[in-house]
Amino acid sequence: EAQVTQNPRYLITVTGKKLTVTCSQNMNHEYMSWYRQDPGLGLRQIYYSMNVEVTDKGDVPEGYKVSRKEKRNFPLILESPSPNQTSLYFCASSPRPALGVYEQYFGPGTRLTVT
Amino acid sequence: GDSVTQMEGPVTLSEEAFLTINCTYTATGYPSLFWYVQYPGEGLQLLLKATKADDKGSNKGFEATYRKETTSFHLEKGSVQVSDSAVYFCALKNNQGGKLIFGQGTELSVKP
Repeated sequence: EAQVTQNPRYLITVTGKKLTVTCSQNMNHEYMSWYRQDPGLGLRQIYYSMNVEVTDKGDVPEGYKVSRKEKRNFPLILESPSPNQTSLYFCASSPRPALGVYEQYFGPGTRLTVT
Repeated sequence: GDSVTQMEGPVTLSEEAFLTINCTYTATGYPSLFWYVQYPGEGLQLLLKATKADDKGSNKGFEATYRKETTSFHLEKGSVQVSDSAVYFCALKNNQGGKLIFGQGTELSVKP
């Protein structure tokens, strides 16, 4: 089954404790992206990657890191989480976006709470 | 910069009522427009899309027409069901890269 998976689905952590949220897709997509969803703000892009070893900042990159060493994986790293990073996070992927209009496939979401 | 504005929710309707969720956008050039739906506890799924002016996207009884003159992409359905209860996001994508710009989402609740 074609899908985007995220782990963990739920995470409660404390301020300053490094964490990684994994994202993996099995559709051989070039493009991957991370969003955060907050009430009244919709989805805002954190980072995206056009292909392996190519990453770029989205609209709200502060406090986050990403890497794209393999095509299928795009982990989101919070080196020192803070309470304002409490949010619902979505990973998404799509085929080569520069060549046309493609659907983005979303993972199920990771609900992160930082206390 | 580019942006999307949706009508505020929540929207509460009775089953079989007519649905309209307004969406307007600001963008340079000729963006593609999308509606995504998020059912409770799930990720977003593409509902429909339109890639040029006057295109009509449709799926599962939902429709939206790309109106360049009014910069709008309103979502409509003639008869909603309880199973349509979800959050609906309007989004645009310009022709550079894959970035989607989302509206804030509109929650729809359909009562039996």
